[in-house]
Amino acid sequence: ETGVTQTPRHLVMGMTNKKSLKCEQHLGHNAMYWYKQSAKKPLELMFVYNFKEQTENNSVPSRFSPECPNSSHLFLHLHTLQPEDSALYLCASSPFGLAGGRDTGELFFGEGSRLTVL
Amino acid sequence: LAKTTQPISMDSYEGQEVNITCSHNNIATNDYITWYQQFPSQGPRFIIQGYKTKVTNEVASLFIPADRKSSTLSLPRVSLSDTAVYYCLVGDFDSNYQLIWGAGTKLIIKP
Repeated sequence: ETGVTQTPRHLVMGMTNKKSLKCEQHLGHNAMYWYKQSAKKPLELMFVYNFKEQTENNSVPSRFSPECPNSSHLFLHLHTLQPEDSALYLCASSPFGLAGGRDTGELFFGEGSRLTVL
Repeated sequence: LAKTTQPISMDSYEGQEVNITCSHNNIATNDYITWYQQFPSQGPRFIIQGYKTKVTNEVASLFIPADRKSSTLSLPRVSLSDTAVYYCLVGDFDSNYQLIWGAGTKLIIKP
């Protein structure tokens, strides 16, 4: 148990569906992240939120839309996805984010949401 | 950001000590070295972090030579449950989210 909870753990959707992934952290952290891990590829950073403000969008297609209503919750809204978007989507958090202060740089990951796009 | 190079895979046996070496020739002065472990269909988990010399915690040791161009993760007396992918990452704290994740080392422990 890392203190970062992702739901759903598994999701199958068609290309015309709209769905959302949810992440919740119980660690009091200030920064939250979405990563994508495709089969046989390294982790790719998608979005970064620091104190609820988006600070990084790593050239992610607009069919992925993040939302961070507060420091504890992060959503990834999905619409009109492609089969190549099938992957493990990982949420992570870290203590101090980008606002300064020294932390260990440790990222706390959730267990991921396995997405399959048909 | 410094890129890292580590073996794609390694095999070992239960009870053995396993050493995984990571090369990071372009490491910067402010960079720390961090290792993560990832089991299938789970998120990576922090193992250990260091800047220089040796760091030890309850699960692993990290050896870093004086020139810091490489590091070695040492897992003592491994068990089957240590079968996982191990990632070596190099970066400074202020840009931890920019860390470049490589393919990692797939460690397989045999009975």
